Amino acid sequence: ETGVTQTPRHLVMGMTNKKSLKCEQHLGHNAMYWYKQSAKKPLELMFVYNFKEQTENNSVPSRFSPECPNSSHLFLHLHTLQPEDSALYLCASSRLTGGDSYEQYFGPGTRLTVT
Amino acid sequence: ELKVEQNPLFLSMQEGKNYTIYCNYSTTSDRLYWYRQDPGKSLESLFVLLSNGAVKQEGRLMASLDTKARLSTLHITAAVHDLSATYFCAVVYSDMRFGAGTRLTVKP
Repeated sequence: ETGVTQTPRHLVMGMTNKKSLKCEQHLGHNAMYWYKQSAKKPLELMFVYNFKEQTENNSVPSRFSPECPNSSHLFLHLHTLQPEDSALYLCASSRLTGGDSYEQYFGPGTRLTVT
Repeated sequence: ELKVEQNPLFLSMQEGKNYTIYCNYSTTSDRLYWYRQDPGKSLESLFVLLSNGAVKQEGRLMASLDTKARLSTLHITAAVHDLSATYFCAVVYSDMRFGAGTRLTVKP
């Protein structure tokens, strides 16, 4: 596998379900990001992890819970979501130092539908 | 707080025409990126602009950066249908912030 991968690619869940999104980067980067993309807000930063430490939480509701066990893996745990949470969830990674630092490489996204 | 503004947000143009997308940002930065997103797909990096006066070209797209004016432009020359997509600019401050995107539709 190369680049940034995300699983699953599509997810349909009820409001009472618990599910997790997974992101893995094979680029040797040390920062990872979760974004939400919907018709209302084209690209909304949710969480940032630098060297496995969460450095940003953009007022995201607690029904979204991120986890970063190491610099290559990032999870987004979902529980008791609302229909308005239906969106494309994108994961990205970047290097924090070096010539191409900060340039973000995106995964293919998970299309989430909450019913 | 860093603000990144793109205009126009929607652009419909005919094949063969030229047009420019603008990206203004509010805080000093010397690093700006342009991304492309096809419908239902992820973001793909197009250009990295690292210094004042930087100009990059790829095919029918040319990007430039004026750090003093805090402005980047993405110029489209002789548009073709394959360029239809949403284009995002992104600026690095403490981290990367994206503009709202410009949805470009090229019609025959």
